[in-house]
Amino acid sequence: DAKTTQPPSMDCAEGRAANLPCNHSTISGNEYVYWYRQIHSQGPQYIIHGLKNNETNEMASLIITEDRKSSTLILPHATLRDTAVYYCIVSSSGNTPLVFGKGTRLSVIA
Amino acid sequence: DARVTQTPRHKVTEMGQEVTMRCQPILGHNTVFWYRQTMMQGLELLAYFRNRAPLDDSGMPKDRFSAEMPDATLATLKIQPSEPRDSAVYFCASGLVPGAGTKKQFFGPGTRLTVL
Repeated sequence: DAKTTQPPSMDCAEGRAANLPCNHSTISGNEYVYWYRQIHSQGPQYIIHGLKNNETNEMASLIITEDRKSSTLILPHATLRDTAVYYCIVSSSGNTPLVFGKGTRLSVIA
Repeated sequence: DARVTQTPRHKVTEMGQEVTMRCQPILGHNTVFWYRQTMMQGLELLAYFRNRAPLDDSGMPKDRFSAEMPDATLATLKIQPSEPRDSAVYFCASGLVPGAGTKKQFFGPGTRLTVL
C-alpha cells in the first residue's frame, strides 16, 4: 500500500471549515483513500473513503486531486467534538488490512 | 446501532500473569482485527481473521501472544506470560469483506492493559 504524508498537527477555529491535507504521491490505480479519526480514549472511527471522485457524507467531504497524488478531508463546520487525530490511509480493496500512520492531530479551538 | 464490544475495558495485572481479552464483532462481519496502541508505536496490527481463519498474525510476539476465534461471535487475544512492555490499549475491529468499502472497519472501545 502507498505511503501517506500528513502534517502532525493543525488548529481550527470552532465553526470554521477544517481542511486536512494528505499526500500520497505513490498511490496505485486500484488503491482507495480512507480517512479515520480517533477521539481521545476511543477506538478509531471510519469517516469516509474514495477512489477517484470526490465524496461527501454526513460527516465530511473528501476531495481527491485529479492525479490522485493528494487529497483533502473537509469538516465543513468544525466543532469542539471534532478534536481528534485524523488518519489518512491508502489501501487496495484486497485482503490486506489498514496500516495506520501517525495522522494529524486536529485541535478545534473555541 | 451495531457495535463491536470488548471486555474487559480495563485490566491491571502483575508481570507473569495470563491476560485474556475478548471481542464480540458486529453480527454478520466476517473479518476481525486486533490492534495494539502505545504512545511510542502508535496503532499496530497484531493479527486478523477472515471467516474465523487466521490470515496474518505476523505482528504478534508468537512466544507469548495467541489469538483465536472460537466462534463467529467471539475473538480472543491472550497473553501468557504478560510483561510490563505489553501495557497498551488493545483494540478489536470488525469488517465485511468483500463489500462496499472493504476497508471500512468498526472499532471497539479498547481494553486498557497495565502490567505491573
